[in-house]
Amino acid sequence: ETGVTQTPRHLVMGMTNKKSLKCEQHLGHNAMYWYKQSAKKPLELMFVYSLEERVENNSVPSRFSPECPNSSHLFLHLHTLQPEDSALYLCASSQDWGWWGTEAFFGQGTRLTVV
Amino acid sequence: ILNVEQSPQSLHVQEGDSTNFTCSFPSSNFYALHWYRWETAKSPEALFVMTLNGDEKKKGRISATLNTKEGYSYLYIKGSQPEDSATYLCAFIGRSYNTDKLIFGTGTRLQVFP
Repeated sequence: ETGVTQTPRHLVMGMTNKKSLKCEQHLGHNAMYWYKQSAKKPLELMFVYSLEERVENNSVPSRFSPECPNSSHLFLHLHTLQPEDSALYLCASSQDWGWWGTEAFFGQGTRLTVV
Repeated sequence: ILNVEQSPQSLHVQEGDSTNFTCSFPSSNFYALHWYRWETAKSPEALFVMTLNGDEKKKGRISATLNTKEGYSYLYIKGSQPEDSATYLCAFIGRSYNTDKLIFGTGTRLQVFP
């Protein structure tokens, strides 16, 4: 138990569906992140939020839309995805954006399959 | 493009064997290196955060060393146990490129057989 919770754990969606991934942390962290892991590839950063403001959009297509309503919650809204978007999506948090003297805490991920 | 390389990609050892793997990263503008342990169906969990050249860290049977001048870190596991089976990830942060993000390697997948 790392203190970062993601739901759902598994999601199958059609290309015309709209769905959302949810992440929650109660560690008092100020920075939250979405990562994507595709098969045989390293974790890729998608978005960074610091104090509820988006500070990084790592060239992610607009069919992925993040939302950070407060410092404890982070969402990833999905619409009109493609089969190649099937991957493991991980949420993480850290004390502060830009300070890496302490570790990041990760959720267990959402395994997304686009059919 | 920053590359973080980990080797080997996978490793199979017998219980009781000691093992080590390597993380290679850019040697300039070093800020920090993290090691994470990722068991199947669980969250990646931090093992070590290393910031100084020559750092050596230890947690139980697992230890790590850091050489920022030549751009590598070693992770050692002494007397491997089946519960050590996991993917071990390293992540590099460079001061001028990306102080806002971890750049991950693809990991070393370790399997320890009883």
